[in-house]
Amino acid sequence: AQSVSQHNHHVILSEAASLELGCNYSYGGTVNLFWYVQYPGQHLQLLLKYFSGDPLVKGIKGFEAEFIKSKFSFNLRKPSVQWSDTAEYFCAVILPRGNTPLVFGKGTRLSVIA
Amino acid sequence: SAVISQKPSRDICQRGTSLTIQCQVDSQVTMMFWYRQQPGQSLTLIATANQGSEATYESGFVIDKFPISRPNLTFSTLTVSNMSPEDSSIYLCSVERVETQYFGPGTRLLVL
Repeated sequence: AQSVSQHNHHVILSEAASLELGCNYSYGGTVNLFWYVQYPGQHLQLLLKYFSGDPLVKGIKGFEAEFIKSKFSFNLRKPSVQWSDTAEYFCAVILPRGNTPLVFGKGTRLSVIA
Repeated sequence: SAVISQKPSRDICQRGTSLTIQCQVDSQVTMMFWYRQQPGQSLTLIATANQGSEATYESGFVIDKFPISRPNLTFSTLTVSNMSPEDSSIYLCSVERVETQYFGPGTRLLVL
């Protein structure tokens, strides 16, 4: 079965610091990859996704993620975080067009302090 | 994307009772999903609900405890039956469009 690992449970950064959140998955074949964000009191929103093509994908709010197939990784990055980026971030994986569920990592809580 | 609404947004229930959660989507979708997010945890898929067929449940979840209805292509309900405090969670509805899942705002349930 697929699994997704997010190594950081809680990350605390100062405003303007750079962000990288790790995500690794355990499946050797082709996968679709997602990052979702859950702001305090709000519902889960799609940040970005990767299906194929350019392994560097750009999402909303200045976020990007890089798919490195050899490392089974899909790390999320942002060059300069803002206080409003304080949220829970979830990495998720699914087999394309397969009859399998979307599998989520445990999430990383990001706290941005002024 | 998709616009998804859920009712109720939150509820406090007594153990042994049941609660039905409604999910409405802005346009027709084939696949709808129900997830549970326990406090401090990630999301776990409960079941997949396709219109016109029985819901498919994931390991650890059974129809008697979480009956699901899918009467049409824009609506689904999840019932949490015979609740216990361990059922306290956020329950989320999700739909798939172009191989991407979108999520509703969730129903926050507290069982006393």
